[in-house]
Amino acid sequence: DAKTTQPNSMESNEEEPVHLPCNHSTISGTDYIHWYRQLPSQGPEYVIHGLTSNVNNRMASLAIAEDRKSSTLILHRATLRDAAVYYCILRVGRGAQKLVFGQGTRLTINP
Amino acid sequence: GAGVSQSPRYKVAKRGQDVALRCDPISGHVSLFWYQQALGQGPEFLTYFQNEAQLDKSGLPSDRFFAERPEGSVSTLKIQRTQQEDSAVYLCASSLAYSATNEKLFFGSGTQLSVL
Repeated sequence: DAKTTQPNSMESNEEEPVHLPCNHSTISGTDYIHWYRQLPSQGPEYVIHGLTSNVNNRMASLAIAEDRKSSTLILHRATLRDAAVYYCILRVGRGAQKLVFGQGTRLTINP
Repeated sequence: GAGVSQSPRYKVAKRGQDVALRCDPISGHVSLFWYQQALGQGPEFLTYFQNEAQLDKSGLPSDRFFAERPEGSVSTLKIQRTQQEDSAVYLCASSLAYSATNEKLFFGSGTQLSVL
């Protein structure tokens, strides 16, 4: 399974932007980059996904490097409710159906 | 509600007991996944259904684990002769389409299983 590397933890302040990095140097041309987050005592929640171009939705933005070997999830204005574990996942483009989670980044938001 | 529903929310079992965990996916969702999440770890894939067909069970840790989805909607994960190492949160997820690489998964809140 294609592998991603994320920092174990990050900390930020409320109402400031947060940039969560992810390295995926073994990505292939048809692999989608997915981000999920998991709040305490809940199942993972979809955040965003992309293939080549940067993507924006109401929750976040996804910036994908030109060579696609890394990406950054951007929370534009963090709130206390954004404190969660964030998972960067490659969804392989050869018929594989499952998401393979790594350890993720535990994001702490300070008031 | 419109989300993925799992029951029970909590289950305590004595070692050696059989348990059954239920998942109600979002109506009309074709794909269904089971994951196991140990404390402090990311979710680990167990098995995948497309409608009633179990297409991937490579993550099931032993033959004590069995999953079914007989009518292509509700799914049950059964664990026979539970062991302490089975203690974990069991997550169910569903997605709408057959092609999963561009689809998002919707997860339930999980069943927390504690084996004493």
